[in-house]
Amino acid sequence: GAVVSQHPSRVICKSGTSVKIECRSLDFQATTMFWYRQFPKKSLMLMATSNEGSKATYEQGVEKDKFLINHASLTLSTLTVTSAHPEDSSFYICSAPTRAYNEQFFGPGTRLTVL
Amino acid sequence: GQNIDQPTEMTATEGAIVQINCTYQTSGFNGLFWYQQHAGEAPTFLSYNVLDGLEEKGRFSSFLSRSKGYSYLLLKELQMKDSASYLCASMDSNYQLIWGAGTKLIIKP
Repeated sequence: GAVVSQHPSRVICKSGTSVKIECRSLDFQATTMFWYRQFPKKSLMLMATSNEGSKATYEQGVEKDKFLINHASLTLSTLTVTSAHPEDSSFYICSAPTRAYNEQFFGPGTRLTVL
Repeated sequence: GQNIDQPTEMTATEGAIVQINCTYQTSGFNGLFWYQQHAGEAPTFLSYNVLDGLEEKGRFSSFLSRSKGYSYLLLKELQMKDSASYLCASMDSNYQLIWGAGTKLIIKP
């Protein structure tokens, strides 16, 4: 199957700093990518839909100024957590669907810990 | 509203068969997905059903009934490595996945 990479896999940062997470589709072009966060023992929560060449679509309750998404190319989407706080600590996962939307490939996830 | 229901936890014995049920209500329907997720890892794709019936893939099979808003994942010849959470997700009319909370499957020797 297709491969989606995510970097970094783990990051620990101080409160108030910004963290950038990259999501890359390695062997296919993804005009759309999804960003999720997941709390321990909870299901995936969709944060936003990243669209290549246009603005991201954010889910209700997700602050677009805090979670900046840039989908600059057909293989790269980035999520920047700005002015991170301890409550932003979570597991962030990106995914990219196939063109037919009959499968989504997930990145390995990024575990963010904000001290 | 949109809703996905699946059991929180199930226990089964190594070598046995287990069926994980999922019911869904979404705005439009573009398919039903099952994913496996081990603790601390991202989900991995197991199956996709868009038409009614049973799809078999090795030890795993997935069933869909669109009229009933119902799906199940069947795991045969259970192995210890099958211990994981199994996530049911329905794709709505906007091609977004609506996720269930996941079923934690515990396999005992």
